[in-house]
Amino acid sequence: DTGVSQNPRHKITKRGQNVTFRCDPISEHNRLYWYRQTLGQGPEFLTYFQNEAQLEKSRLLSDRFSAERPKGSFSTLEIQRTEQGDSAMYLCASSLVSVVFMNTEAFFGQGTRLTVV
Amino acid sequence: RKEVEQDPGPFNVPEGATVAFNCTYSNSASQSFFWYRQDCRKEPKLLMSVYSSGNEDGRFTAQLNRASQYISLLIRDSKLSDSATYLCVVNTNSGYALNFGKGTSLLVTP
Repeated sequence: DTGVSQNPRHKITKRGQNVTFRCDPISEHNRLYWYRQTLGQGPEFLTYFQNEAQLEKSRLLSDRFSAERPKGSFSTLEIQRTEQGDSAMYLCASSLVSVVFMNTEAFFGQGTRLTVV
Repeated sequence: RKEVEQDPGPFNVPEGATVAFNCTYSNSASQSFFWYRQDCRKEPKLLMSVYSSGNEDGRFTAQLNRASQYISLLIRDSKLSDSATYLCVVNTNSGYALNFGKGTSLLVTP
């Protein structure tokens, strides 16, 4: 499968614990996005990377959230001291962009569903 | 005001009907526009990009009105398999973030 891969698919954690999710984008894609989606809402932008550089973070992203993409390939999203309000589907997407094609289709992974109890 | 706003759903239509979804965006600098489709408990997938001149893909037609900052999606001859949530997506040059609307739910009934 050469699509976007996310692990784990499901995560149940106790409030206050830290969790880390992984995203493996499509191999040649240079842009990677993280989104959060709750029931009945569209995906909410969290952050994105161009290669290894984190170029934008949503104002909604609290200090408890951190994302990395150390080698410009896979990415991790860590949530520290989880709260019940963090329960959501966390979606990763990737795309291939260039100077000519600056905004192209983003392909999504199947997401990691986080439940904080 | 949210950056991307869509018609509130749900839309319940019979098979064969024509249905139109609307979307407005707030940033006049926006450059790229898409419609994504999301099935229940699945990830969003690109339905079609939206070009300035408008574009058509089979039963689907997308239109862009930059002056009014408005995007539309028209589905003709609805099929049961069109039942899904349709997400309007606008990409702003300032940040290259993909901003999604809340989505409009479509249910096509026999």
